[in-house]
Amino acid sequence: AQRVTQPEKLLSVFKGAPVELKCNYSYSGSPELFWYVQYSRQRLQLLLRHISRESIKGFTADLNKGETSFHLKKPFAQEEDSAMYYCALRGGSEKLVFGKGTKLTVNP
Amino acid sequence: DTAVSQTPKYLVTQMGNDKSIKCEQNLGHDTMYWYKQDSKKFLKIMFSYNNKELIINETVPNRFSPKSPDKAHLNLHINSLELGDSAVYFCASSQPPLGVFFGPGTRLTVL
Repeated sequence: AQRVTQPEKLLSVFKGAPVELKCNYSYSGSPELFWYVQYSRQRLQLLLRHISRESIKGFTADLNKGETSFHLKKPFAQEEDSAMYYCALRGGSEKLVFGKGTKLTVNP
Repeated sequence: DTAVSQTPKYLVTQMGNDKSIKCEQNLGHDTMYWYKQDSKKFLKIMFSYNNKELIINETVPNRFSPKSPDKAHLNLHINSLELGDSAVYFCASSQPPLGVFFGPGTRLTVL
């Protein structure tokens, strides 16, 4: 079974501080991991895919198979980063399973 | 404009009514989905179609019936609407190894 856990429902940081949004997964095979962002009342947007190893808007995420984690990090948070962040896993089927999301608030 | 689009954006209706939400993607993807986002912002997959064929059907009441006339369209029909159906419904599409791309959502309110 595919399962994604985001332990923090809410995360609040100050502008300029580092931010880390945690994501752990459970899957017996080789997973594809993603981070999605949803700004207030907007659609979900793909932020990162683990296979591309890219950095978008200053965010990075590294897949750690030993710890089954895919934490999202940014060294200096900006106010415009305030949003809901979802970690997601795609296993063998086409099904994309989401974590429950973390609401990030960046305070001025 | 390449995207996933869905209509209507807002839907307010009475309990017991039947309503439909339409979705179209012009990305050329083979797979389309319906996801439900509840009031706690949890996202749950409802259905997935691959080339017009149903491949994922989660435990969704029979009142929800998806229809895919072609691989670019996946509509959702809901019969006998209930209060608990109030949510935001997202259509999405994908083509491995790319991620899943979402539509703007339809906010359904059942009174």
